[in-house]
Amino acid sequence: QKEVEQDPGPLSVPEGAIVSLNCTYSNSAFQYFMWYRQYSRKGPELLMYTYSSGNKEDGRFTAQVDKSSKYISLFIRDSQPSDSATYLCAMMRGARTSGTYKYIFGTGTRLKVLA
Amino acid sequence: DSGVTQTPKHLITATGQRVTLRCSPRSGDLSVYWYQQSLDQGLQFLIQYYNGEERAKGNILERFSAQQFPDLHSELNLSSLELGDSALYFCASSVASTTTDTQYFGPGTRLTVL
Repeated sequence: QKEVEQDPGPLSVPEGAIVSLNCTYSNSAFQYFMWYRQYSRKGPELLMYTYSSGNKEDGRFTAQVDKSSKYISLFIRDSQPSDSATYLCAMMRGARTSGTYKYIFGTGTRLKVLA
Repeated sequence: DSGVTQTPKHLITATGQRVTLRCSPRSGDLSVYWYQQSLDQGLQFLIQYYNGEERAKGNILERFSAQQFPDLHSELNLSSLELGDSALYFCASSVASTTTDTQYFGPGTRLTVL
């Protein structure tokens, strides 16, 4: 079983829809949770960063972490064609300053927002 | 444009060969990270350098090595290449080395091993 599971999609939605992207994980030691967006032929860019359980909102994006269920979500409101990209979840455990951390990415979900 | 540059953009080589990928971090960033992205494995963290010193290792093979130079650019050396090493290799940089640092990714180097 992979440490982080993510549905590869593709997920097609009409413009203006609310998009829900999800990841599950198996290791309860993960403490930091991130969502990246990757456009075709580009490097990933960080969208959201959360620590521990709860919600975090940034514009049209909301990241949600449920540590008890080992489940994280990214919601995109009022989706736009420009949101069409691959979305990767990422999780980290350990301390980056000490070099003992582990950084795991999901395989990514391809999202297509239709105009 | 993230400010991170990577060269070359594309590299085609044969099995058994050795290649060097180069990364220049954003101005002011001290940390450099290397990642491998392939269709079957997804994005995998390889190694991190901070101000010239190795800081953390991920899933980096023994055939691979990296270094960060005094001017903070970094090189990833891949040797005894195998078909399975064909992938996109990304470099990222961040200001420091703390957990909350945002990493900025470069455009990647696409390596094809024939």
